[in-house]
Amino acid sequence: DSGVTQTPKHLITATGQRVTLRCSPRSGDLSVYWYQQSLDQGLQFLIQYYNGEERAKGNILERFSAQQFPDLHSELNLSSLELGDSALYFCASSAHGTVPTGELFFGEGSRLTVL
Amino acid sequence: AQKVTQAQTEISVVEKEDVTLDCVYETRDTTYYLFWYKQPPSGELVFLIRRNSFDEQNEISGRYSWNFQKSTSSFNFTITASQVVDSAVYFCALSEAGQNFVFGPGTRLSVLP
Repeated sequence: DSGVTQTPKHLITATGQRVTLRCSPRSGDLSVYWYQQSLDQGLQFLIQYYNGEERAKGNILERFSAQQFPDLHSELNLSSLELGDSALYFCASSAHGTVPTGELFFGEGSRLTVL
Repeated sequence: AQKVTQAQTEISVVEKEDVTLDCVYETRDTTYYLFWYKQPPSGELVFLIRRNSFDEQNEISGRYSWNFQKSTSSFNFTITASQVVDSAVYFCALSEAGQNFVFGPGTRLSVLP
């Protein structure tokens, strides 16, 4: 158990809909990262938050947004969903802010299926 | 730009065989960190090891060993006496100062009984 909690574990929705994925980092970790894992794209970095502020942005679509709350949990919002958004979405946390010199601890992922 | 290559897409071995998973990285930074993660069929990503660019010592942990060679920009992972439970996708990852983790495409290892 990594200590990172993600909900929901599975989600099935239709194209055009909006979903919210939630992540609670390990106790004490200030950084939260979101990754997308699809069959043809591997693990793609989406966005990082550190202590409530956006720290780094990767290949995140404009239809997607995220935030980190004062209690350090984070939410990833996916809107106007397309079939290609079907993927496993991982949240990871680490104690470090900028350079993740330490390891990332991953949640079990949220599997999103868009029909 | 940083990049991680895992040329082996899939490897199959028979139980008790040794297997080496290759990882080649590209970076312009002198300070960077390398990682290996394991993703078993259940889907979670499990941290295995971290190496910083100043520490080229090889490491052994039980049946696992890692060979870091800066001269060839490689960070290879060897499993000795493989077991069925080692079946998973293994990811190599790189982080540079000020940049986020970049993962390689992964190598799917199947260990057959």
